[in-house]
Amino acid sequence: DTGVSQDPRHKITKRGQNVTFRCDPISEHNRLYWYRQTLGQGPEFLTYFQNEAQLEKSRLLSDRFSAERPKGSFSTLEIQRTEQGDSAMYLCASSLAPDTQYFGPGTRLTVL
Amino acid sequence: GNSVTQMEGPVTLSEEAFLTINCTYTATGYPSLFWYVQYPGEGLQLLLKATKADDKGSNKGFEATYRKETTSFHLEKGSVQVSDSAVYFCALPYFALSGGGADGLTFGKGTHLIIQP
Repeated sequence: DTGVSQDPRHKITKRGQNVTFRCDPISEHNRLYWYRQTLGQGPEFLTYFQNEAQLEKSRLLSDRFSAERPKGSFSTLEIQRTEQGDSAMYLCASSLAPDTQYFGPGTRLTVL
Repeated sequence: GNSVTQMEGPVTLSEEAFLTINCTYTATGYPSLFWYVQYPGEGLQLLLKATKADDKGSNKGFEATYRKETTSFHLEKGSVQVSDSAVYFCALPYFALSGGGADGLTFGKGTHLIIQP
C-alpha cells in the first residue's frame, strides 16, 4: 500500500493556460474522488468515479473542468482557460467503501 | 443539501487540557458522520466515524457521539498532547444532485487546534 499520490505537487500557471493534474489511487480502490480546498475552508467535493464511470459532478465543476479515469486506474483533472479564482489545493482521494476515504497530498495550483 | 457547521478556530489549549470541538449538521435522513484530521505537512486522514444514531466513534483517545436529537457530532478528548496540534474537519456525505446516493463528502471549514506545552 503506497498511498494515494498526486502529481505535480505544485503548479504555477498564467491566467488562460490549461493545466492537468494526475492522481494515482491505492491500487485496489475502485472509487476515486476529486476535491478542491481553498485557504481557511474545508475540502469541497468536485466529482467521483466508480471504476471508469464518472457518477457525480458538483455544481463547482464548471465546463472548464474535466476529469477522466481511463481503465479505472489513475485519474486526471484538467482545467482549461484557468482563472485566478481557480487557485486552490486540489485533493484526490480513493476508497474501497464510501465511508473511509484515503487522501493524497494534493496539488497546489497558483494562477497568476 | 447536506451541510456541517463547526466551531471556528484557532483553539489554543495547554497540554493535558480537555478538548471539545463542536460540530452540528443538517442532512436528509441519518447519514454517517466523520471527523478527519490534517496534521502539519500531511494529507487528510480519517480520525473516527459513526454510522448511526447514538453510535460513538473513537480513535487515538478522541471520541464523538452521533446525537440525532441535537444533530451534533462533537469531538472530545480528555487530555490533549502537543502532537494533537492539527486541523480537524467534521464531515458527512455529499448530497448528490442526482438525488441518488453519493459517495463524496461535505466538510466543515475546519478547526485549527494548537496545543502548547
